[in-house]
Amino acid sequence: ETGVTQTPRHLVMGMTNKKSLKCEQHLGHNAMYWYKQSAKKPLELMFVYSLEERVENNSVPSRFSPECPNSSHLFLHLHTLQPEDSALYLCASSQQGSDRGTEAFFGQGTRLTVV
Amino acid sequence: RKEVEQDPGPFNVPEGATVAFNCTYSNSASQSFFWYRQDCRKEPKLLMSVYSSGNEDGRFTAQLNRASQYISLLIRDSKLSDSATYLCVVNMEYGNKLVFGAGTILRVKS
Repeated sequence: ETGVTQTPRHLVMGMTNKKSLKCEQHLGHNAMYWYKQSAKKPLELMFVYSLEERVENNSVPSRFSPECPNSSHLFLHLHTLQPEDSALYLCASSQQGSDRGTEAFFGQGTRLTVV
Repeated sequence: RKEVEQDPGPFNVPEGATVAFNCTYSNSASQSFFWYRQDCRKEPKLLMSVYSSGNEDGRFTAQLNRASQYISLLIRDSKLSDSATYLCVVNMEYGNKLVFGAGTILRVKS
């Protein structure tokens, strides 16, 4: 069983669809992240949840809506996306709390195509 | 100024070469530093953490220079399998904001 699992691995959706990405971590971590990686661009931090509370929202459009029901699960709800939202969406988790923090472990990502 | 800055490369080197990457960060209060490796169309994976005293793992050596706000990665005796994108990662605030650099592409050729 991998540490961070994302489903689905691939997703094709129309601009009027509503879909959700799921992430689950089995590492006992207390922080979870959503990152977006577009083609030939760096990883962009979208959201950070620490102890199930959203602590960072990096100016992400409202058509992306995160949900963190508990420390092991993270969702990204998608609606009325645009073709430019096509990208690799990566979930990560880490153990935070001290002043140092620890490294993040990533899921394999969901490759999203908006048509 | 970008929060984390890297030379995108690509660095094209022959097998057996030594290659070094640098990364600069803007927040002097940053506490944790890491190097990740990302293969094409895969997720980033931790290569090594970077400590103030420097650390070494086989052919890989990481250094941190707090005064100049940069970290470095040295790869000795490069292998074909080292070809990847190397990402510099900085924990910008107390525990909650991991920021990635754009990555440096390394291509090792026979």
